[in-house]
Amino acid sequence: NAGVTQTPKFQVLKTGQSMTLQCAQDMNHNSMYWYRQDPGMGLRLIYYSASEGTTDKGEVPNGYNVSRLNKREFSLRLESAAPSQTSVYFCASTSQAGRSGNTIYFGEGSWLTVV
Amino acid sequence: SQQGEEDPQALSIQEGENATMNCSYKTSINNLQWYRQNSGRGLVHLILIRSNEREKHSGRLRVTLDTSKKSSSLLITASRAADTASYFCATAYQGAQKLVFGQGTRLTINP
Repeated sequence: NAGVTQTPKFQVLKTGQSMTLQCAQDMNHNSMYWYRQDPGMGLRLIYYSASEGTTDKGEVPNGYNVSRLNKREFSLRLESAAPSQTSVYFCASTSQAGRSGNTIYFGEGSWLTVV
Repeated sequence: SQQGEEDPQALSIQEGENATMNCSYKTSINNLQWYRQNSGRGLVHLILIRSNEREKHSGRLRVTLDTSKKSSSLLITASRAADTASYFCATAYQGAQKLVFGQGTRLTINP
């Protein structure tokens, strides 16, 4: 039972390059999320998808795009990477967003460095 | 920002002592959850307390919620070295389809 799987785990990019972080969950969850974690900042929500076919902006969406490819997969794309996007990125999923009592399951994180 | 605030930011105690962490939030919530993050890993869910609950226990964990003060506390009793981690509170705001995380408390248990 893999849970939430995200790739790659580590990536170094040059400023201006593009890349996509992949995320897949095998728990048949409806809702998926992308967070970034910076030192001393906790987790900040970038984008989320409450259900297949929908996506919404979170707190810090600028510089990112997302695709909910199907119920299992939710990708995060950096079109033109900037040093300010150096961070640890976490994908997460839950059975149904907004319902009281639903916990979130996290992937192991993707460490991204933009030089 | 809707982020909650946790205090202290860092806590260092001796093994066997109790550790208490606090979380404050800003608006009405459906529930509040606590997560643990070991260094270099993802977050793991610990416990959830609903807005109509005041206290909840799970093993060595005790969570309280005071909606009038918009605050919660997490107590870890009889701490162990393996409890060393960062602890985050997360709030599910009414009408929102997302969890908002606090900045975390970094807990160190000294053997």
